[in-house]
Amino acid sequence: DAGVIQSPRHEVTEMGQEVTLRCKPISGHDYLFWYRQTMMRGLELLIYFNNNVPIDDSGMPEDRFSAKMPNASFSTLKIQPSEPRDSAVYFCASSYASPKKGEQFFGPGTRLTVL
Amino acid sequence: SQKIEQNSEALNIQEGKTATLTCNYTNYSPAYLQWYRQDPGRGPVFLLLIRENEKEKRKERLKVTFDTTLKQSLFHITASQPADSATYLCALGGSSASKIIFGSGTRLSIRP
Repeated sequence: DAGVIQSPRHEVTEMGQEVTLRCKPISGHDYLFWYRQTMMRGLELLIYFNNNVPIDDSGMPEDRFSAKMPNASFSTLKIQPSEPRDSAVYFCASSYASPKKGEQFFGPGTRLTVL
Repeated sequence: SQKIEQNSEALNIQEGKTATLTCNYTNYSPAYLQWYRQDPGRGPVFLLLIRENEKEKRKERLKVTFDTTLKQSLFHITASQPADSATYLCALGGSSASKIIFGSGTRLSIRP
């Protein structure tokens, strides 16, 4: 299995531009999570899906952030318009079952820099 | 508000010794706790899960304890090796929700 796939691996953009991050979870996994990691705030959960349905988006910082999961094999996290404070590493993770039963598998992350 | 603290930002120990990392939490009653390892430039990798009714879990050179009275988990690596050098994250979750909350991590360095 290729594991969780994220693209792009690096993204540099200018303030005000739209950014779209992509994720392909592990086949057969029912849960998909989007995290953001910074030195200041650590690893923060933004939103998670169960069977393609958003369950909890309370971690999404503001309306500039949106996430979709149109099918079981693809999810996007969009930031529009982007701001310098959005600079971080964004991780996508998937799991077969609820985290209370087992592990989450993380992708390699997308390093976003907003100038 | 819920708070998770990992004992120190960095820990340096001699190869062969036992490394002990601490995860403390407040204002929270987790049903389970997970430990992850993260190497630079990579995503976290799951190591162990322990539930509230379990006192201890082992996997090879790794041992995790969970004390709900002290609101603390200890993570031990015995016979530590330089290859164990990484950042270790603890994560807690409740019984009903599927999301987990991560601590800020402890950077462990094992010197030869």
